[in-house]
Amino acid sequence: DVKVTQSSRYLVKRTGEKVFLECVQDMDHENMFWYRQDPGLGLRLIYFSYDVKMKEKGDIPEGYSVSREKKERFSLILESASTNQTSMYLCASSLDRAGNEQFFGPGTRLTVL
Amino acid sequence: DAKTTQPTSMDCAEGRAANLPCNHSTISGNEYVYWYRQIHSQGPQYIIHGLKNNETNEMASLIITEDRKSSTLILPHATLRDTAVYYCIVKSAIESNFGNEKLTFGTGTRLTIIP
Repeated sequence: DVKVTQSSRYLVKRTGEKVFLECVQDMDHENMFWYRQDPGLGLRLIYFSYDVKMKEKGDIPEGYSVSREKKERFSLILESASTNQTSMYLCASSLDRAGNEQFFGPGTRLTVL
Repeated sequence: DAKTTQPTSMDCAEGRAANLPCNHSTISGNEYVYWYRQIHSQGPQYIIHGLKNNETNEMASLIITEDRKSSTLILPHATLRDTAVYYCIVKSAIESNFGNEKLTFGTGTRLTIIP
């Protein structure tokens, strides 16, 4: 079975803290994605990666960075967390470069106080 | 600009077929129609996709009109576990220089299966 796992389901951090969200997929997929989901705004793409050490900005990259040192792992980093980054964060992966069938993790609900 | 339009919510009786409509009148020739759903507190789940022919898999059927401006997702025998938000997404299936990869989720249709 296809599996995308995220390091935490729930996370509470303070303003200004550095936050790491980890995502691991076991399907040998090329592409990995980070989205955030907010009520009324749907899912918005933050960053994606099509290969190890490669990354591309999505629609809302400001305040975030990413790291992909190994094919199976894609990390989202909030350098200095702010309250407007309180959200549900979803990681996904896809086998092909066009990102057609994406497999999502369960999500991390991050609260920044 | 919204590429798809879906009803905000729908109800369906358990055991009946659930028919979820989607309008995508500005779809272009190389764009596919994808359906995903999101059950409460879970990540989205891929259901099915199609270009112009009707498609069926173990989860659902997808009916696309001949002019491709609208489609219907059919869950043939809805169960309580099908209660979720269903998203219709139009997306190019072509690999390109990093413009086509993202899925653009709208607000979807909240489907409630009634016992």
